[in-house]
Amino acid sequence: KQEVTQIPAALSVPEGENLVLNCSFTDSAIYNLQWFRQDPGKGLTSLLLIQSSQREQTSGRLNASLDKSSGRSTLYIAASQPGDSATYLCAVRPKTSYDKVIFGPGTSLSVIP
Amino acid sequence: DGGITQSPKYLFRKEGQNVTLSCEQNLNHDAMYWYRQDPGQGLRLIYYSQIVNDFQKGDIAEGYSVSREKKESFPLTVTSAQKNPTAFYLCARSQGQGVRETQYFGPGTRLLVL
Repeated sequence: KQEVTQIPAALSVPEGENLVLNCSFTDSAIYNLQWFRQDPGKGLTSLLLIQSSQREQTSGRLNASLDKSSGRSTLYIAASQPGDSATYLCAVRPKTSYDKVIFGPGTSLSVIP
Repeated sequence: DGGITQSPKYLFRKEGQNVTLSCEQNLNHDAMYWYRQDPGQGLRLIYYSQIVNDFQKGDIAEGYSVSREKKESFPLTVTSAQKNPTAFYLCARSQGQGVRETQYFGPGTRLLVL
């Protein structure tokens, strides 16, 4: 059964620091992996989608990587800003159950001014 | 909000009452989903629908029901059989296929029990 974990559960960094968020999954048979941002009391906002054949995707200050063989993805945020404070979730779309996307519990990020 | 409208933002349920959460999309996409989010946990799939008049149970369907009479609407009813309904409910749509299929979410409805 596919499981997705995110460590740490919470992270606090000073403004301007580069940081990495981690996502691990147990089954490498996936179609894609998606990173989301969630502000308190809000829905999820899609940040990046990495297809199974891709190694990374970039959007502005965000860079997401995917290593299927090790079951890991990282989200790199460059030059962090207080506005980056939010919970970041990753999700995988398994090949064994296409419609059932599996979500990690998220990492709560605080960027301190 | 990813092309998804959810209402209301907050909903209060009395014991023994059924309540219905609204989810509407205006982008003519087929696939729609309902998730439940509890503090510190990932999203869990309640129901999903690929086409009109068809829907499938997710991992935690007990105590919930849905309908898909129109392509743009996928309402979720939380029945009195759901004994722990307090949670944040998120509706989503999918765009693309296969490795490109991407999920987009609405703003959510928070359900509280009186």
